[in-house]
Amino acid sequence: DIQMTQSPSSVSASVGDRVTITCRASQGISSWLAWYQQKPGKAPKLLIYAASSLQSGVPSRFSGSGSGTDFTLTISSLQPEDFATYYCQQANTFPPTFGGGTKVEIK
Amino acid sequence: EVQLVESGGGLVQPGGSLRLSCAASGFTFSRLEMNWVRQSPGKGLEWVSYISSRGDSTYYVDSVKGRFTISRDNAKNSLYLQMNSLRAEDTAVYYCARDFSDSTGSYYRAFDIWGQGTMVTVSS
Repeated sequence: DIQMTQSPSSVSASVGDRVTITCRASQGISSWLAWYQQKPGKAPKLLIYAASSLQSGVPSRFSGSGSGTDFTLTISSLQPEDFATYYCQQANTFPPTFGGGTKVEIK
Repeated sequence: EVQLVESGGGLVQPGGSLRLSCAASGFTFSRLEMNWVRQSPGKGLEWVSYISSRGDSTYYVDSVKGRFTISRDNAKNSLYLQMNSLRAEDTAVYYCARDFSDSTGSYYRAFDIWGQGTMVTVSS
């Protein structure tokens, strides 16, 4: 199975900050990567698919980049509603696997 | 409104069985591939199973192979997960999730619509 490693596991940031989350795959996955946001007690929400394509309805302050084994999710200007846990997921081969998550907390 | 609603969770003893259901509405269920994803309390996400739109292809994570069975009834717009020989480590919130397909019909093996989840607790 492909292992997905996210870093950092948590980050403290302030409203307006630029936040970058990294995801590394244990083997190349081309651009088959998705990013999700999850708030406590809620289901995950798809933010980015195919590494850099913004899902409909997702604010443009979210962006994704990368290919192969290294990927990045960037929030350009953190908003109060963005405090949540973020997960990457490889979509290259079965089984789809998720990273361990990055919790974005209020500084 | 596009919606997935799970049901069937609960408390079950180790070795027991449960059948989860997921009712779909607001989209053409029969055309889309579906999945089950679970999340243990306080933990991350784990994909569990996949089924093709016609139900003729299925995949499972290794830890549930031979114990769980995914199925669907397109006439009833419903997805199911039959869980047998349950273990403590199967305790989790179980989500049904739709495979994302764009306007061209291309799949991305990402999950764009999720249910609210149903809790399964395996304990004596």
